[in-house]
Amino acid sequence: DIQLTQSPSSLSASVGDRVIITCRASQSISRHLNWYQQKPGQAPKLLIFAASSLQSEVPSRFTGSGSGTDFSLTISSLQLEDFAYYYCQQGYRTPRTFGQGTKVEIK
Amino acid sequence: EVRLVESGGGPVQPGRSLRLSCRGSGFKFGDYAINWVRQAPGKGLEWVGYIRSLPYDGTAQYAASVKGRFTISRDDSENIAYLQMNSLKTEDTGVYYCAADPHYYYGSGFEYWGQGTLVSVSA
Repeated sequence: DIQLTQSPSSLSASVGDRVIITCRASQSISRHLNWYQQKPGQAPKLLIFAASSLQSEVPSRFTGSGSGTDFSLTISSLQLEDFAYYYCQQGYRTPRTFGQGTKVEIK
Repeated sequence: EVRLVESGGGPVQPGRSLRLSCRGSGFKFGDYAINWVRQAPGKGLEWVGYIRSLPYDGTAQYAASVKGRFTISRDDSENIAYLQMNSLKTEDTGVYYCAADPHYYYGSGFEYWGQGTLVSVSA
């Protein structure tokens, strides 16, 4: 199975900060990497697919990059509504796998 | 409006069975792979399995933790997918989401999600 390791596991940041979350795969997954946001009590929401494609209606402050084994999600200017959990997920092989998650908290 | 609605969750004893349903509307259900993803209380997301769309061959694949106990099926005439869960264990407890993936060859994610249904396995 392909393991995904996110870092950091949690971070504290202020509104307006630039935030970067990384995701490392245990083997090359080309660009088959997706990012999700999940708020408490809600279903996850797709932000980025195929490493860098912005899902419809997702704000442009979210960007994804990377290929092979190393990927990142950047929030250019953190907004209040961005405090949430973030997960990466690979779609290269089954079983599909998720990273362990990153909690973005208010400083 | 796109909607995915799960149903069928609830309390169940270990060793028993439960069937979850996932009904879609507002999009071309038959063109999407339907995934099941679960989340144990306070934990992260775990992929349970999926069923590909019929144009892609309609086959199902499963996580090792549920293989042989869970079965995913679909009825595109009704825009519905099922997760049949047998021999349930306490560690199967969690919120179960269905999620639709257009499975583009160049990569795609779980575009649409249901609200989730809680399965609680306990004696």
